[in-house]
Amino acid sequence: AQTVTQSQPEMSVQEAETVTLSCTYDTSESNYYLFWYKQPPSRQMILVIRQEAYKQQNATENRFSVNFQKAAKSFSLKISDSQLGDTAMYFCAFMTQGGSEKLVFGKGTKLTVNP
Amino acid sequence: DVKVTQSSRYLVKRTGEKVFLECVQDMDHENMFWYRQDPGLGLRLIYFSYDVKMKEKGDIPEGYSVSREKKERFSLILESASTNQTSMYLCASTTPEGAPSYGYTFGSGTRLTVV
Repeated sequence: AQTVTQSQPEMSVQEAETVTLSCTYDTSESNYYLFWYKQPPSRQMILVIRQEAYKQQNATENRFSVNFQKAAKSFSLKISDSQLGDTAMYFCAFMTQGGSEKLVFGKGTKLTVNP
Repeated sequence: DVKVTQSSRYLVKRTGEKVFLECVQDMDHENMFWYRQDPGLGLRLIYFSYDVKMKEKGDIPEGYSVSREKKERFSLILESASTNQTSMYLCASTTPEGAPSYGYTFGSGTRLTVV
């Protein structure tokens, strides 16, 4: 069974600075997706970024980028120029490609951006 | 934009009641999912469905059942609510694999309190 580990239950960062959230996973699969989801306080969970395991290039979405290390089974999220609106729970998640589309989630990291 | 709508944002029910949580998506997605979210535990899969009248157990199906009579609607049923089912319940559907926005679209969640 796949597992996803987020080792940082809480983090904080100053506005405009850069922060990196860690995620490791365990799988015997070769083809899979990795995701970061954001859940702002009392608001809907939304997709931040997706990485296909077969792609060597790290995914980026504006201020959000990942460092995907397949051999190390590591998938960290970097947020540049942090904004107050980035305050949220962040969940790392794993999905086997071509499978049931079940997502396996980590326990989340609560990020607070301070003014 | 894809919309996943959960009928209730907050619910309070009594122990032993039969509870229905409704979820509707408007994009003709085949796959739909029910997760529960608890602090420190992340999101755990209860049930999912690939198509009308098809359902599969997730990781924590005990005490729950589901119904999918129409493609757009996926209902979670608590047969006899108990206090340990107090939680946030999240419904999601997936865009087709290969789509640029591939991933889950979540509803806003239903916070259920069983007293």
